[in-house]
Amino acid sequence: EAGVAQSPRYKIIEKRQSVAFWCNPISGHATLYWYQQILGQGPKLLIQFQNNGVVDDSQLPKDRFSAERLKGVDSTLKIQPAKLEDSAVYLCASSLGRSNQPQHFGDGTRLSIL
Amino acid sequence: AQTVTQSQPEMSVQEAETVTLSCTYDTSESDYYLFWYKQPPSRQMILVIRQEAYKQQNATENRFSVNFQKAAKSFSLKISDSQLGDAAMYFCAYRSAYNTDKLIFGTGTRLQVFP
Repeated sequence: EAGVAQSPRYKIIEKRQSVAFWCNPISGHATLYWYQQILGQGPKLLIQFQNNGVVDDSQLPKDRFSAERLKGVDSTLKIQPAKLEDSAVYLCASSLGRSNQPQHFGDGTRLSIL
Repeated sequence: AQTVTQSQPEMSVQEAETVTLSCTYDTSESDYYLFWYKQPPSRQMILVIRQEAYKQQNATENRFSVNFQKAAKSFSLKISDSQLGDAAMYFCAYRSAYNTDKLIFGTGTRLQVFP
C-alpha cells in the first residue's frame, strides 16, 4: 500500500512570511495527525483529525497555525506569519483510528525560517 | 499529564552485538500502549515494536524485544545481532487507551553501529 505522502520535503522562508504543507494519508485511514519535531526533541502533536473533524488541537498555536482536512482525506497545515521558533520538521501521520492501531508517518517537511 | 523520558542521548554498539535502549514514563492511567519508533536520518519514522500495558508478556519482533516493567514504569528496547542498518534515532512513545490516541514521545536516543 502507498504510504503517507507529504510535500514539500524542504521549505525555506523568511520570518513573517506564510507557508503551507500538504499531507495525503494512507487510503482508508480515518485519523490524521500533524506533529512538530524541533531539532533534538521528539515529535509533539499539533492537531488530530478524525475524518474531517478536529479531535485535539490543544497544542496548536492558533494565532498563527491553522489546519484543515478537506472531505476527510487530504490535509493542509498553514503557518502565517512564521516565527524563527517555527523551524522544525512537520510530520504527518495517519491511522485507522482505533487505539490499538499504529500510526504511520510520512517523510516530513523540513522548514527553515531565516 | 503523561511524560516519557529517554536518558541516553547517544548509544553505540558494534555490529553483531546487543544493545539496550532505556525508556521510563510517568502516568496515572492503568491502560495504555507503549511504542518504539525508529527514525533514520532524513527518512520517515517507522514502528519497531509495540506493547499493550495489560499484557504481561514482553513483545518481540525478530531481533527486537522489550523489557516492560509496569510497576517501575520502564520500557527498554533490546536490539540483538545489531546491523549497520539499525543506526538511527530511536524514540519511545506512550499512547493512552482512553480518550485520546496521540503519541507522547521521548527526546530520542541516537544509536550508532560500528563495523
